[in-house]
Amino acid sequence: DTAVSQTPKYLVTQMGNDKSIKCEQNLGHDTMYWYKQDSKKFLKIMFSYNNKELIINETVPNRFSPKSPDKAHLNLHINSLELGDSAVYFCASSSQTGFEKLFFGSGTQLSVL
Amino acid sequence: AQTVTQSQPEMSVQEAETVTLSCTYDTSESNYYLFWYKQPPSRQMILVIRQEAYKQQNATENRFSVNFQKAAKSFSLKISDSQLGDTAMYFCAFMLYSGAGSYQLTFGKGTKLSVIP
Repeated sequence: DTAVSQTPKYLVTQMGNDKSIKCEQNLGHDTMYWYKQDSKKFLKIMFSYNNKELIINETVPNRFSPKSPDKAHLNLHINSLELGDSAVYFCASSSQTGFEKLFFGSGTQLSVL
Repeated sequence: AQTVTQSQPEMSVQEAETVTLSCTYDTSESNYYLFWYKQPPSRQMILVIRQEAYKQQNATENRFSVNFQKAAKSFSLKISDSQLGDTAMYFCAFMLYSGAGSYQLTFGKGTKLSVIP
């Protein structure tokens, strides 16, 4: 029973392509996030959504578009992929009530060739 | 803006020994949360320990404990009786409530810990 699941785990693609990463959580959380981990292992928030509404939108190129069809899903679509987009992308979720922490998915390693 | 600094990019420890990882942070807020996350080669982000800023008592989880010094904005992690499975990247993180049910988690750059048999 994976709490936060992302697919695919690995994604290899050519420059200029469009790709999507899917994320689903079965924890009943209201808030979901996307984090990017670069080649130096630095993790930085990209977006957060609460109940399908965008809350945090860090300085991320317009080519990145999150989509939340319902509060259990937050997908990340990336247009016109560039070499610098190569990274590990983590989805996470949190609940405002009770134990405040982020639950992370296992990450998607994106390689742009 | 909040910043988190981990001054030790790499550390090593002999199996069964104790090691302390350092973390300092900067914020003007008074209510926040602090975390240590572990990232083994499997890439999974695993929560090691959590501390609420309003609690003076240092958090402990089995072999893991923290030394939280709020005035000094310091949050170090002590691992006792180190095991080979502790080999991983360790991230210190600061979390603030950013409104509308959302939290902002700011990470340090990580400390790569190697446990030597």
